[in-house]
Amino acid sequence: QKEVEQNSGPLSVPEGAIASLNCTYSDRGSQSFFWYRQYSGKSPELIMFIYSNGDKEDGRFTAQLNKASQYVSLLIRDSQPSDSATYLCAVKEEAGGYNKLIFGAGTRLAVHP
Amino acid sequence: KAGVTQTPRYLIKTRGQQVTLSCSPISGHRSVSWYQQTPGQGLQFLFEYFSETQRNKGNFPGRFSGRQFSNSRSEMNVSTLELGDSALYLCASSSGLAFSYNEQFFGPGTRLTVL
Repeated sequence: QKEVEQNSGPLSVPEGAIASLNCTYSDRGSQSFFWYRQYSGKSPELIMFIYSNGDKEDGRFTAQLNKASQYVSLLIRDSQPSDSATYLCAVKEEAGGYNKLIFGAGTRLAVHP
Repeated sequence: KAGVTQTPRYLIKTRGQQVTLSCSPISGHRSVSWYQQTPGQGLQFLFEYFSETQRNKGNFPGRFSGRQFSNSRSEMNVSTLELGDSALYLCASSSGLAFSYNEQFFGPGTRLTVL
């Protein structure tokens, strides 16, 4: 059973700090990794995706991927109260080459003023 | 570009009934995937349709079925509803090309409550 693991949190950070969200996955063959943000009562919103080892930056967000360690993370710089949400890590199942995302349970982030 | 739309947004049904949910993907996207989200199990993959064909399926009973039309719109059907089917049902749209990265974009979801 392919798994994606996340710390459920809550992760509490002060406004302006860096929030670090972590995710590990079990399938060594995984190639595509996604971070979604989900506000309470809303649907998941894609914020970052990463395919290559290393860092990928988009505004205040940086995704980091280490395939050897089967580890992907999301850093949020200058955290704002509006970043308070659940962050879902998703890994695309590569078997068959089609679309199936396996999601972690999500990490709840709380940014306090 | 319009996003993914899902109808209805809310549904209340009783045990034993059946329900049909609808999803219209982003224009030009040919893949529609369906997911179930519950507090206990999180987001779980139901199935994916591409060019009117189911090409991937999750571990759900046969009561859960779907189809896709030539315009890429998709419907999901759940028969003989059980209390445990109460969930947020999400569809996700992507270009659907095989062996590509295929970012998936979610619709607002249908909240199904089974009484």
